[in-house]
Amino acid sequence: DIQMTQSPSSVSASVGDRVTITCRASQGISSWLAWYQQKPGKAPKFLIYGASSLQSGVPSRFSGSGSGTDFTLTISSLQPEDFATYYCQQANSFPPTFGQGTRLEIK
Amino acid sequence: QVQLQESGPGLVKPSETLSLTCTVSGGSISSDYWSWIRQPAGKGLEWIGRMRTSGNSNNNPSLRSRVTMSIDTSKNQFSLKLSSVTAADTAVYYCARERAYSNYLWPDSWGQGTLVTVSS
Repeated sequence: DIQMTQSPSSVSASVGDRVTITCRASQGISSWLAWYQQKPGKAPKFLIYGASSLQSGVPSRFSGSGSGTDFTLTISSLQPEDFATYYCQQANSFPPTFGQGTRLEIK
Repeated sequence: QVQLQESGPGLVKPSETLSLTCTVSGGSISSDYWSWIRQPAGKGLEWIGRMRTSGNSNNNPSLRSRVTMSIDTSKNQFSLKLSSVTAADTAVYYCARERAYSNYLWPDSWGQGTLVTVSS
């Protein structure tokens, strides 16, 4: 299985900050990466696919980039509702696998 | 907008079979793929498997021999059975719709999740 490693495991930031989360694949996955947002007690929300394509309805302050093994999720100006845990997921190789998550906390 | 809701026992004894059902509303189960994903407390997400009404299915090799999935189109439901459970199978189980975006399948709509505890 492809291992997905996210960093940092947690980050503290303030409203209005720019935050970047990194996801690294154990082998190349082209651009077949998605990002999800999960709030406590809730189901994950599909944010980005194909490394950089924004799902319909997701605010434009979210963006994704990368290809091969290294990917980033950037939130350009944090809003209060963005504090959550974020997961990356690869779909290039079977089975699909997720990163361990990055918890974004309020500073 | 499609909605998914998991249901099933919250407590299963070791060595028994975990059985969950996902009811789909706001869309037909006859299209797309339907999957199960789980999350042990405080841990990350693990993909279990997917299927569609054509009978085409894929299961995670780590669980493959224990997993059975089925679809009931008359009830717009799909189901998961996981046999010979142990405490390691304790998790929140999510059902999800997988849809193709750029020719790859992604779980884009999820149920709220249901906690299943394996304990005697």
